[in-house]
Amino acid sequence: EAGVVQSPRYKIIEKKQPVAFWCNPISGHNTLYWYRQNLGQGPELLIRYENEEAVDDSQLPKDRFSAERLKGVDSTLKIQPAELGDSAVYLCASSHSLEGNEQFFGPGTRLTVL
Amino acid sequence: LAKTTQPISMDSYEGQEVNITCSHNNIATNDYITWYQQFPSQGPRFIIQGYKTKVTNEVASLFIPADRKSSTLSLPRVSLSDTAVYYCLVGVGAAGNKLTFGGGTRVLVKP
Repeated sequence: EAGVVQSPRYKIIEKKQPVAFWCNPISGHNTLYWYRQNLGQGPELLIRYENEEAVDDSQLPKDRFSAERLKGVDSTLKIQPAELGDSAVYLCASSHSLEGNEQFFGPGTRLTVL
Repeated sequence: LAKTTQPISMDSYEGQEVNITCSHNNIATNDYITWYQQFPSQGPRFIIQGYKTKVTNEVASLFIPADRKSSTLSLPRVSLSDTAVYYCLVGVGAAGNKLTFGGGTRVLVKP
């Protein structure tokens, strides 16, 4: 069974440029998560989807970040415009249910903003 | 907000048992306790999950006291490949609880 797929794996952009990350969760997983992980820190939840509905986006900086999961399957996280402080690893995870869920993580996208 | 606290780092030797304790004083009734392992340049990987008492699988044990305000991950007979960061995660996202990773514990297994 294929795991969570993320692309690109690495992205280098200049500040003020837009950037988008894509995630394809494990087939059948209805819950999808986007995390940001800064160097030396634990992952920080940005947004959680239950099917196509964003059920927790309180940690998403909505002035510049947006996310969508239109058909309840794959998802895109966008930053526009990017700032220097956005440099981090962006992780996508998926799980089958909310109760006692095990999250399966993708390899992440390492973003460097110059 | 179910915040967790873990030791920053821990050293051990091959063949020893490693115990990592996580504090989560304001854990909610519906929260589960989950531990993840992360190697460099990889996403976290599930190790074990529990709600109360003791859970054991093929790689670890999880001990949860009755008040559930802490939990201890036990790794038996560690090897060099167990060198990683271990995260304690509390919450299921229901009832407004956020999914929160702790700061992580860097475990270094020495030969």
